[in-house]
Amino acid sequence: AQSVTQLGSHVSVSEGALVLLRCNYSSSVPPYLFWYVQYPNQGLQLLLKYTSAATLVKGINGFEAEFKKSETSFHLTKPSAHMSDAAEYFCAVSDRGYGGSQGNLIFGKGTKLSVKP
Amino acid sequence: EPEVTQTPSHQVTQMGQEVILRCVPISNHLYFYWYRQILGQKVEFLVSFYNNEISEKSEIFDDQFSVERPDGSNFTLKIRSTKLEDSAMYFCASSETTGYSGDTQYFGPGTRLTVL
Repeated sequence: AQSVTQLGSHVSVSEGALVLLRCNYSSSVPPYLFWYVQYPNQGLQLLLKYTSAATLVKGINGFEAEFKKSETSFHLTKPSAHMSDAAEYFCAVSDRGYGGSQGNLIFGKGTKLSVKP
Repeated sequence: EPEVTQTPSHQVTQMGQEVILRCVPISNHLYFYWYRQILGQKVEFLVSFYNNEISEKSEIFDDQFSVERPDGSNFTLKIRSTKLEDSAMYFCASSETTGYSGDTQYFGPGTRLTVL
């Protein structure tokens, strides 16, 4: 069965500093992986997704994530944090995996990112 | 940009009452979902819906839950007799039906349900 673990429920960085949000997955099949962001009082918005085309995935707002099969990780990074990046970030895996039919998302617990001026 | 909308944003109800949560998916999408997030816990899958029938449901989605697409635009989640433990944020999502598990699901802003 697929699962996702996000290390750190709360991460705080200074403006301009590197953002690193950790996600490890467990999957019995080659996975599809997603990062979503939730700004206050808004829905979940897709940041990026890994669908086996390339291991380094670039998303919106300068975020990127690297799929590392050997480490079963899909960590989210951004070189320089902005105040507007303050939000909650969710890592998710599709329960079907590569080649599977329409699946459901299995989410991690989320990481709340704070950005200090 | 098209988006998923949900109403109401916040619903307060008494235990045992029926509630209906409403969603308007993106217009050309054909797969619909409900997820929920109990405060402090993970976002959990409840049910998926395709071609006017339930495609898959989780063990959370018991007989007190039902979904419906009453017209061409709305997608509803009904909880027949609410319990205290149903208090959560409920998210609706939709995706295009290319039919593969890498499809992006687009989420609405959620309805916060409080059961007293």
